[in-house]
Amino acid sequence: DSGVTQTPKHLITATGQRVTLRCSPRSGDLSVYWYQQSLDQGLQFLIQYYNGEERAKGNILERFSAQQFPDLHSELNLSSLELGDSALYFCASTFGGRATDTQYFGPGTRLTVL
Amino acid sequence: GQQLNQSPQSMFIQEGEDVSMNCTSSSIFNTWLWYKQDPGEGPVLLIALYKAGELTSNGRLTAQFGITRKDSFLNISASIPSDVGIYFCAGPGNRDDKIIFGKGTRLHILP
Repeated sequence: DSGVTQTPKHLITATGQRVTLRCSPRSGDLSVYWYQQSLDQGLQFLIQYYNGEERAKGNILERFSAQQFPDLHSELNLSSLELGDSALYFCASTFGGRATDTQYFGPGTRLTVL
Repeated sequence: GQQLNQSPQSMFIQEGEDVSMNCTSSSIFNTWLWYKQDPGEGPVLLIALYKAGELTSNGRLTAQFGITRKDSFLNISASIPSDVGIYFCAGPGNRDDKIIFGKGTRLHILP
């Protein structure tokens, strides 16, 4: 158990809908990273937050947004969903803001868009 | 953009065999990371390398930071069933603000 929790574990929805994925980092960790994992693209970095502020951005679509709250949990919002958004979404946390520090990954949320 | 190429993409081996996999980069890295993802779980860091030529072990796993700083290698000795999973190499992006993952080497162990 990494100490990082993600909810829900599975999500099935329809095209055009909007969903919210939630992540709670390990106790004491200040940084949260979001990744998308699909079969053909591997693990793609989406966005990082550190202590409530956006720190780094990767290949995140404009339809996706995220935030980190004062209690340090984070939410990833995916809107106008398309079939191609079906993937595993992971969050990871570190104490500091360096991406090369050990990232502790949650168990993931599997999103299926029908 | 930066890319990491891992090979092989998948491996089928017998229990007890040694395994070798590698990762090459289109640019120089100052850190190499190896993560493993068990089926149905998130990746876990196995080994971190910070210096060209560095050789680091974690139990039966040994990883090396290539001298050119554009490659890294991971070896697993005497494989066991729990070694099954996907092994990812990773390294920092251009501004060290993110890490880039390779597409992984999927390890299968034949019964």
